Amino acid sequence: AQSVSQHNHHVILSEAASLELGCNYSYGGTVNLFWYVQYPGQHLQLLLKYFSGDPLVKGIKGFEAEFIKSKFSFNLRKPSVQWSDTAEYFCAVNTGYNKLIFGAGTRLAVHP
Amino acid sequence: EAQVTQNPRYLITVTGKKLTVTCSQNMNHEYMSWYRQDPGLGLRQIYYSMNVEVTDKGDVPEGYKVSRKEKRNFPLILESPSPNQTSLYFCASRGSNTGELFFGEGSRLTVL
Repeated sequence: AQSVSQHNHHVILSEAASLELGCNYSYGGTVNLFWYVQYPGQHLQLLLKYFSGDPLVKGIKGFEAEFIKSKFSFNLRKPSVQWSDTAEYFCAVNTGYNKLIFGAGTRLAVHP
Repeated sequence: EAQVTQNPRYLITVTGKKLTVTCSQNMNHEYMSWYRQDPGLGLRQIYYSMNVEVTDKGDVPEGYKVSRKEKRNFPLILESPSPNQTSLYFCASRGSNTGELFFGEGSRLTVL
């Protein structure tokens, strides 16, 4: 079955630290890839997406992600996190028009 | 303003008392979907709809019904709620071929 794995369930960082959140998916065909963010008490918002082309995509708020097809990965990165980045982050994979599969999420806490 | 609107945002009910969570989008999107979010499980798709009068089951449809009589509305119906349906519910819509989902603010449901 198709699935999305986020290996880090909880991450705690200090401000200015670098961030990398892992995301791996199991599907051999063409995929569209997404990272969504959910700030406390809010709905999910799109951070960035990959459909095709340059595998390094840049999103909002200084986030970027790299699609590595050979590793079935789409890791999220940010060079220097801020307290306001405290949120839950979801990786999602679209393997067809009808279905967007989400990972279990990673809770990020950034301490001042 | 483009948005997905859900109501109610919060609801506490008792086992067996039918309830409906409404969802409306103003972006003329054809595709709409319902998800439930549970800790450690991410978002799981309940039902989705490709267009008016076209609905299909997602990963966790048991205990839920939906209807799509108009393009903008996609209500979620719990005919006989049970405690295991206590969850945070999100409605989402998507324009054709973009793959990006737009989420509502969420509806937190507690079934006693």
